Amino acid sequence: EPEVTQTPSHQVTQMGQEVILRCVPISNHLYFYWYRQILGQKVEFLVSFYNNEISEKSEIFDDQFSVERPDGSNFTLKIRSTKLEDSAMYFCASSDGGINEQFFGPGTRLTVL
Amino acid sequence: AQSVAQPEDQVNVAEGNPLTVKCTYSVSGNPYLFWYVQYPNRGLQFLLKYITGDNLVKGSYGFEAEFNKSQTSFHLKKPSALVSDSALYFCAVRRRMDTGRRALTFGSGTRLQVQP
Repeated sequence: EPEVTQTPSHQVTQMGQEVILRCVPISNHLYFYWYRQILGQKVEFLVSFYNNEISEKSEIFDDQFSVERPDGSNFTLKIRSTKLEDSAMYFCASSDGGINEQFFGPGTRLTVL
Repeated sequence: AQSVAQPEDQVNVAEGNPLTVKCTYSVSGNPYLFWYVQYPNRGLQFLLKYITGDNLVKGSYGFEAEFNKSQTSFHLKKPSALVSDSALYFCAVRRRMDTGRRALTFGSGTRLQVQP
């Protein structure tokens, strides 16, 4: 069964450093998403991406964040200058559009020291 | 704005007994509703969805959910719980009319503990 994959599984970084989280969505999917889950809290939407552009973003997704689909398979989330409060589990998801469900990856745990 | 409430942080049930995990939602217009399950150190796995039609939706692993428009609820149920069902369960909503806005709004999650 096809699945969304994410790398790395755990990323530790120093405050102020840039990080790039990587995702490989399901191959025939057209819509891509990033969500995050701060420890003990609910899953929150960050951004959705379709046709090589952002289609929707939340207030969390400020200028420190960016997304890119650099090739036909990868989908990345970049945080330019990490803050302590960026520590969270980041989930990538994809869907084939319409009303279909989103499929989530296993997550990248980001720890900012 | 849309929101989801899962009023119980934890639900405890004995193996073999029926289980219910509650979810209520608030959204303008008609909703798309989803249940996801999260096992330790894993991502979110899709269980089932309500789009339209029959109010009783059947999903993976014997789970089902009932959409109740008047009560704005979408409770998750299973007739006979298994120890392996122990996990964190999330309800999520999306507005049906927002064809260009697909962000899911999640509830805070309910931890299901099934005792042997």
